[in-house]
Amino acid sequence: GQQLNQSPQSMFIQEGEDVSMNCTSSSIFNTWLWYKQDPGEGPVLLIALYKAGELTSNGRLTAQFGITRKDSFLNISASIPSDVGIYFCAGRTGNQFYFGTGTSLTVIP
Amino acid sequence: DAGITQSPRYKITETGRQVTLMCHQTWSHSYMFWYRQDLGHGLRLIYYSAAADITDKGEVPDGYVVSRSKTENFPLTLESATRSQTSVYFCASREGNEQFFGPGTRLTVL
Repeated sequence: GQQLNQSPQSMFIQEGEDVSMNCTSSSIFNTWLWYKQDPGEGPVLLIALYKAGELTSNGRLTAQFGITRKDSFLNISASIPSDVGIYFCAGRTGNQFYFGTGTSLTVIP
Repeated sequence: DAGITQSPRYKITETGRQVTLMCHQTWSHSYMFWYRQDLGHGLRLIYYSAAADITDKGEVPDGYVVSRSKTENFPLTLESATRSQTSVYFCASREGNEQFFGPGTRLTVL
């Protein structure tokens, strides 16, 4: 099956720093989604992107749908301790969603 | 509260036993999904359903059975559990282009 390449796998940053992560695929997607997962919980939708080139913000989070439709990135500005978790990208084609392997974010106070 | 609930949240079973994981949604979304989450593999789709009585295989359907007699329920059954099915299982529903997840069921097969 399709698998999205998500990088980096893990990040350790100081509180207040900005964070950037990205996702690439060999396939074109119609929709890109970014999720955050806390330990013991299900993924929670952060941002959804619907058009190539689209740039969308949700508070301190900004995500972009790549022009080629094969990539997306997520930026978190001014990180805080509660940003800790695993971030997943997902691409949708047809009725199915394909997920990246996740970026584990640790924020050091 | 509206949303997706899964039960049980934790389950330990033995190899060869039948296990059913329950999923219930209160939104009346047409599409529902079952995923398993394993280290190094991320989330992989097991089965999905477009509506009541319509189901389709995902990426890793072997060893699993689903049914959808009512829109709000989408149970996942492991007919004869194997150790390789030890995983965290997530149910999800879809509205438009967005997918929403339940809290997960952690299943251990001994």
